[in-house]
Amino acid sequence: DAMVIQNPRYQVTQFGKPVTLSCSQTLNHNVMYWYQQKSSQAPKLLFHYYDKDFNNEADTPDNFQSRRPNTSFCFLDIRSPGLGDAAMYLCATSRSNNGANVLTFGAGSRLTVL
Amino acid sequence: GQNIDQPTEMTATEGAIVQINCTYQTSGFNGLFWYQQHAGEAPTFLSYNVLDGLEEKGRFSSFLSRSKGYSYLLLKELQMKDSASYLCAVRDSNYQLIWGAGTKLIIKP
Repeated sequence: DAMVIQNPRYQVTQFGKPVTLSCSQTLNHNVMYWYQQKSSQAPKLLFHYYDKDFNNEADTPDNFQSRRPNTSFCFLDIRSPGLGDAAMYLCATSRSNNGANVLTFGAGSRLTVL
Repeated sequence: GQNIDQPTEMTATEGAIVQINCTYQTSGFNGLFWYQQHAGEAPTFLSYNVLDGLEEKGRFSSFLSRSKGYSYLLLKELQMKDSASYLCAVRDSNYQLIWGAGTKLIIKP
C-alpha cells in the first residue's frame, strides 16, 4: 500500500541534544509538510516543500531545519531541543496544495525531551 | 486573524447521533476538511466540502454554509471506535490550511 512512513515513532532526547526525524512516502506526492502537534492543540505547520521549493512558516524557530534530498524523503532536524519542543511531529504529503488535495499523514514521531 | 472554532469535548451514547460544529473566520475560502484523529495517532481524512450543502459518506455526513462560515460533521449509529478527536480545517485564499484544535468525542456504552 502506498503510504507515509515516519521514523522513529518515539524519540527520547536530552535537552540540547540534536534530533533528526525522517519521513518517506511512496505516494509520489509533490508536497511534503512537517507539523508540530501538542496535546489537544491544532497541528502547527512548521514548513513545507512544493517539489524542491522550501517554504518556511514565519513563526517557525530557527532551531528547526528541514531537508528534502529527493521526492520520497524529507527530514526534520531539531538542532537544540528544548523542553517546549516535546510534541508529536507529523509528516504529511499531498499531490498539490490547492483545491481538494487531501493531506495523507504519517503515524507521527513523538518526541520527549528530558 | 484567522480562526477555527470547535467545541473542546462532546459526549454521546453508542448507537446515537452526534453533530460536531465548526465555525471559521478566514481570509478567503477554498474548501473545508474534516479529519479524524485517534489518541496518539495521525489524522485521517473524512470529508471535504467546497460548495454549500450536505455531503454524505456512509455513517458520516458533512455540511457547509459558506455565507455563515459554518460546517458540521454528523456521525450516525455511533460505535465505540468513533471515540476520537475530530479536526476541522479550512483552506484559505492563499491555499494555507487553517486547523481547529479538534473536538474530543467520547462515546459511552
